[in-house]
Amino acid sequence: DSGVTQTPKHLITATGQRVTLRCSPRSGDLSVYWYQQSLDQGLQFLIQYYNGEERAKGNILERFSAQQFPDLHSELNLSSLELGDSALYFCASSRGGTDTQYFGPGTRLTVL
Amino acid sequence: GDSVTQMEGPVTLSEEAFLTINCTYTATGYPSLFWYVQYPGEGLQLLLKATKADDKGSNKGFEATYRKETTSFHLEKGSVQVSDSAVYFCALSDRTNAGKSTFGDGTTLTVKP
Repeated sequence: DSGVTQTPKHLITATGQRVTLRCSPRSGDLSVYWYQQSLDQGLQFLIQYYNGEERAKGNILERFSAQQFPDLHSELNLSSLELGDSALYFCASSRGGTDTQYFGPGTRLTVL
Repeated sequence: GDSVTQMEGPVTLSEEAFLTINCTYTATGYPSLFWYVQYPGEGLQLLLKATKADDKGSNKGFEATYRKETTSFHLEKGSVQVSDSAVYFCALSDRTNAGKSTFGDGTTLTVKP
């Protein structure tokens, strides 16, 4: 158990819908990272937050947004969902901005 | 931008065989380097890391040495077990780019008894 929690574990929705994925980092970790893992594109870094501020941005679509709240939990919002958004979404946390990342168990999103 | 190139898989070995998974990187700054492992149905977990040139990371019999001159961080294990079957990811964290992380595509290892 990494100490990072993600909810929900599974999510099934339809095209065009909007969903919110939630992540609680390990106690004391200030950074939160979001990744998308799909069969055809591997593990893609989406975005990083550090103590509430956006720190680094990767291949995140404009339809996706994220934020980190004062209690350090983070949410990833996915809107206008497409079939190709079906993937595993991982959240990770670290103490600072460049340390070892601890991954959550992931949220499996299925868009029908 | 930063990039990580891993040896393509899948890799299939017999138990007790020697393992090498190659990893090379490109980074504008001076990155920290990591190997993560993902067991079936689970998230990634850190296997080992190195933060400066010539550092050797090691854990559970796996080793990797940070080679700045060849920009490499190859993963090795002298004798693999069936329980080592997993997907292995090489990654870097660029301290000069706000800690942005870049992962390789992953290498699937299957160890047969």
